[in-house]
Amino acid sequence: NAGVTQTPKFQVLKTGQSMTLQCAQDMNHEYMSWYRQDPGMGLRLIHYSVGAGITDQGEVPNGYNVSRSTTEDFPLRLLSAAPSQTSVYFCASSSSGGLIGELFFGEGSRLTVL
Amino acid sequence: DAKTTQPPSMDCAEGRAANLPCNHSTISGNEYVYWYRQIHSQGPQYIIHGLKNNETNEMASLIITEDRKSSTLILPHATLRDTAVYYCIVANNFNKFYFGSGTKLNVKP
Repeated sequence: NAGVTQTPKFQVLKTGQSMTLQCAQDMNHEYMSWYRQDPGMGLRLIHYSVGAGITDQGEVPNGYNVSRSTTEDFPLRLLSAAPSQTSVYFCASSSSGGLIGELFFGEGSRLTVL
Repeated sequence: DAKTTQPPSMDCAEGRAANLPCNHSTISGNEYVYWYRQIHSQGPQYIIHGLKNNETNEMASLIITEDRKSSTLILPHATLRDTAVYYCIVANNFNKFYFGSGTKLNVKP
């Protein structure tokens, strides 16, 4: 199993550009989420999904969109990138969302917005 | 908002036990205590979790006080590879899984 796979690993954008960060998991997990981590800070929850067709907002959802059309994929879209969105983005998944289990994280996508 | 308080950094000698404290005085009855760690800038890694009983696995032990207002993560024989940021999280579901700033553990030779 590959676990949680994020692409791209690095990306540089100009202000106003759009892009999609991809996240895929091969563990048939129902729960998936996106976090961002700014330098020297902990992770903050952006959006999450408890299953295909269901998404909801986390702590810091502004400027980001998500969709969940399949169990495996949970892309994060930046519609108009801003320098404040420069961060490292982590995708995570779990077999149990509302219940307690273990979150599996990807290796991160490092985004710089100029 | 993170509901835990951790020291920003700690040092530990290689081969000795590392004891990382966490205060969570507002924990609710159905909230678990979780510990994750982040090595360099990799994705966080699960270590252990518990509700009210002490827990042990191959990586660490978790000691939760009887009133559940604090806990300690114990790495019994720290190695240089255990140098990381350790996060203590209290939650009853992943939708409210808030990471604070964590404790930077420096394991020294």
